[in-house]
Amino acid sequence: QKEVEQNSGPLSVPEGAIASLNCTYSDRGSQSFFWYRQYSGKSPELIMFIYSNGDKEDGRFTAQLNKASQYVSLLIRDSQPSDSATYLCAVNKGGYQKVTFGIGTKLQVIP
Amino acid sequence: SAVISQKPSRDICQRGTSLTIQCQVDSQVTMMFWYRQQPGQSLTLIATANQGSEATYESGFVIDKFPISRPNLTFSTLTVSNMSPEDSSIYLCSVDLHVESGYTFGSGTRLTVV
Repeated sequence: QKEVEQNSGPLSVPEGAIASLNCTYSDRGSQSFFWYRQYSGKSPELIMFIYSNGDKEDGRFTAQLNKASQYVSLLIRDSQPSDSATYLCAVNKGGYQKVTFGIGTKLQVIP
Repeated sequence: SAVISQKPSRDICQRGTSLTIQCQVDSQVTMMFWYRQQPGQSLTLIATANQGSEATYESGFVIDKFPISRPNLTFSTLTVSNMSPEDSSIYLCSVDLHVESGYTFGSGTRLTVV
């Protein structure tokens, strides 16, 4: 079982729709959870982090965490073509522990 | 967040040679991390570099193949030694200024070994 699992996609959504990206993790000791966006040919950039159960909203992005189900998701509202990228889920056990990345989900927003 | 300058941005190298990748951070950081991202794969941690001590390597990565230097709190190098085509990948350095804010990445080095 992979430590962090994501569907590689591509996930295609029409412009203006809600994109839902999902991630599961295997280590129940995980404490911090991150979503990175990576445009083709670029390095990853952090867009959201969450460490408490529930929802965290930042603009058009909402991260959702359910530790009991070992599940974290990212919702992108009013999706734009500029949101087309690969979204990486990452998990950390807390403190200065290493961060483990999923394979990433490729999102395509269709104009 | 930190600004990381990484170079070279890309290189094409002959098999059997070595390439050294440099990362400069605009602030002092305790740990720097080196990742590899192979085509269609996720980011894989190669090693963690602490200033003043030897780097800690992840399973599958060894110091002879990927020697790392960390001479001060703002700089690190990763060398890919005795390269083969299987080493063709993107190599990224990163820092973690604040535990809960995640990593900041350098711009990456796209390495092609021919």
